[in-house]
Amino acid sequence: QSVLTQPLSASGTPGQRVTISCSGTSSSIGSFYVYWYQQLPGTAPKLLIYRNNQRPSGVPDRFSGSKSGTSASLAISGLRSEDEADYYCGGWDDNLSGPVFGGGTKLTVL
Amino acid sequence: QMQLQESGPGLVEPSETLSLTCTVSGDSVTSGSYYWSWLRQPPGRGLEWIGFIYYSGSTNYNPSLNGRVTISVDIFRNQFSLKLSSVTAADTAVYYCARGHGDWEPIDYWGQGTLVTVSS
Repeated sequence: QSVLTQPLSASGTPGQRVTISCSGTSSSIGSFYVYWYQQLPGTAPKLLIYRNNQRPSGVPDRFSGSKSGTSASLAISGLRSEDEADYYCGGWDDNLSGPVFGGGTKLTVL
Repeated sequence: QMQLQESGPGLVEPSETLSLTCTVSGDSVTSGSYYWSWLRQPPGRGLEWIGFIYYSGSTNYNPSLNGRVTISVDIFRNQFSLKLSSVTAADTAVYYCARGHGDWEPIDYWGQGTLVTVSS
């Protein structure tokens, strides 16, 4: 059972905007930064968003992140077929004193 | 561009010790306030943090692994290593080495991962 909670699946059609939620507690998301990762089939996770809403260089501005209280969201606008992947939120947990993750959301582009 | 590369046996027998090494290139394990971490992902499942180490040697491990984990760092070879003892089939997973962005922040760089199967 993951420390952070994500929906199992999400879907959208090309060009649409989709959002993926991530819920935590006061000792995780409520106190620390949220990161988001994209994992394409058979590959390692790749950093998509760091410090709640910052994009590493090379990540398209179609991807955006936000955080409010103990929840966070990843938004993908102008959905493309190549966005079909698993998305994980990540954070830090004060009780564990280590990084924690959501269970992952499988995004399907219809 | 920083890169991390895992190496080690892809098959480990039950009750034995799993040993993996991560070689860091494009950065130094002694740089900044980063930590160096091991994570794993069982087939078809989510990500699990195993533990991490700072270059000073300070470590922290996931208690769910019941004291079976040892992580060490070799600053001269720019490597860090994982040992997981008394493995069972439940330890079969893709193992990732990774860099943590700093104190109280999650992972920013990941290795490509290596599949370790526990089987006789």
